[in-house]
Amino acid sequence: QVQLLQSGAEVRMPGASVKVSCKASGYSFSDYYVHWVRQAPGQGLEWLGRISPNGGGTNYAQKFQGRVTMTMDTSISTVYVELSRLTSDDTAVYYCTRDASNIYYYFDYWGQGSLVTVSS
Amino acid sequence: DVVLTQSPDSLAVSLGERATINCKSSQTVLSTSASKFYLAWYQQKPGQPPRLLIHWASTRESGVPDRFSGSGSGTDFTLTISSLQAEDVAVYYCQQYFSNPYTFGQGTKLEIK
Repeated sequence: QVQLLQSGAEVRMPGASVKVSCKASGYSFSDYYVHWVRQAPGQGLEWLGRISPNGGGTNYAQKFQGRVTMTMDTSISTVYVELSRLTSDDTAVYYCTRDASNIYYYFDYWGQGSLVTVSS
Repeated sequence: DVVLTQSPDSLAVSLGERATINCKSSQTVLSTSASKFYLAWYQQKPGQPPRLLIHWASTRESGVPDRFSGSGSGTDFTLTISSLQAEDVAVYYCQQYFSNPYTFGQGTKLEIK
């Protein structure tokens, strides 16, 4: 079955960077885009961007341009999101999620989430 | 950016009754060439990631009970649960995938009355 297994919780100081991983299994890794969506405590959902495991092409939300980097390691079916220059507003659960179609950006499978806390 | 505004913010419905959640888009999310609305609905239970319920505004995902249905017209969309079950208690989100950034509504919390 399709699974997206994310790395554990992280705590960072303001100004630092964080890198979260997402290991995919149960499907052909190269066939589906992987997106990152975050959710601040008690808040709604926010799309950060996506990466294509077939070639590594990325598409980021304008809001995060210059601060977010999505990468992958096809040998271990894992994608990563790195967010730099963290502030307290970046405290959130970060989810990786699979694109259902690779053309239309809606999401059928989700990781369990990785809590990132930014605090001094 | 396309802003999705859901109403109400919270809703309490009796078991077995109908629940209706609305989502209004600030811009069209209709592809005239495809004649499809680029709108999805998700269910999120506490401590869990979202679950995709509906895409193309009205196409139910495999395994989603048929008491869930979606509809839309113009810039107004509706998620309907025809007969509320206890396991439907959750927060529901709409999402547009028409244009970058791909935005979500603020969520509607559904509870049992």
